[in-house]
Amino acid sequence: EDKVVQSPLSLVVHEGDTVTLNCSYEVTNFRSLLWYKQEKKAPTFLFMLTSSGIEKKSGRLSSILDKKELFSILNITATQTGDSAVYLCAIAEGTGNQFYFGTGTSLTVIP
Amino acid sequence: NAGVTQTPKFQVLKTGQSMTLQCAQDMNHEYMSWYRQDPGMGLRLIHYSVGAGITDQGEVPNGYNVSRSTTEDFPLRLLSAAPSQTSVYFCASSYFRGGGGYTFGSGTRLTVV
Repeated sequence: EDKVVQSPLSLVVHEGDTVTLNCSYEVTNFRSLLWYKQEKKAPTFLFMLTSSGIEKKSGRLSSILDKKELFSILNITATQTGDSAVYLCAIAEGTGNQFYFGTGTSLTVIP
Repeated sequence: NAGVTQTPKFQVLKTGQSMTLQCAQDMNHEYMSWYRQDPGMGLRLIHYSVGAGITDQGEVPNGYNVSRSTTEDFPLRLLSAAPSQTSVYFCASSYFRGGGGYTFGSGTRLTVV
């Protein structure tokens, strides 16, 4: 079964909209949750979350983790066409050497 | 430029052929790993290494070998290519085992016919 489930699978919005991407997970020994952005090349690192309730923020992007309910959200405010990408969520468990990725949310921002 | 360098960028193999995907990083990262990315499957961990001389299996190791003789290099060997190994392969490295600051290479698109 999938350890990391992302929703929605895809999303189309207009510039200026705010979007929320979801990541739920199921692991026995949680270590950290990571968000990546993937355009038509290699994923680039966005956030690493280890503690519940502490928001990480970078410009228009922010993310928060809920370890009790086993999920994280990634918010993007005032979306721009450059935000169009696949957003990947990953879980590191145990010693942190094993990572499990979700299949991603494909975001398309229309001008 | 500092980062993770993968070669080749594209490769076509015939079933049964062997080849090595090269990965090198110049950031003195201890942790290196190989992933494959398939449509609808996400990124799946093949093998990883936490330092020179130390390697371990990930989620989908069958059909692949790795070695880590130096901190910088982490080649991935396909022993006898199969069409099921058609995929995009990414090498990644990090200082931290937890994945913080994970840097990916640009990927190798492999087709096995």
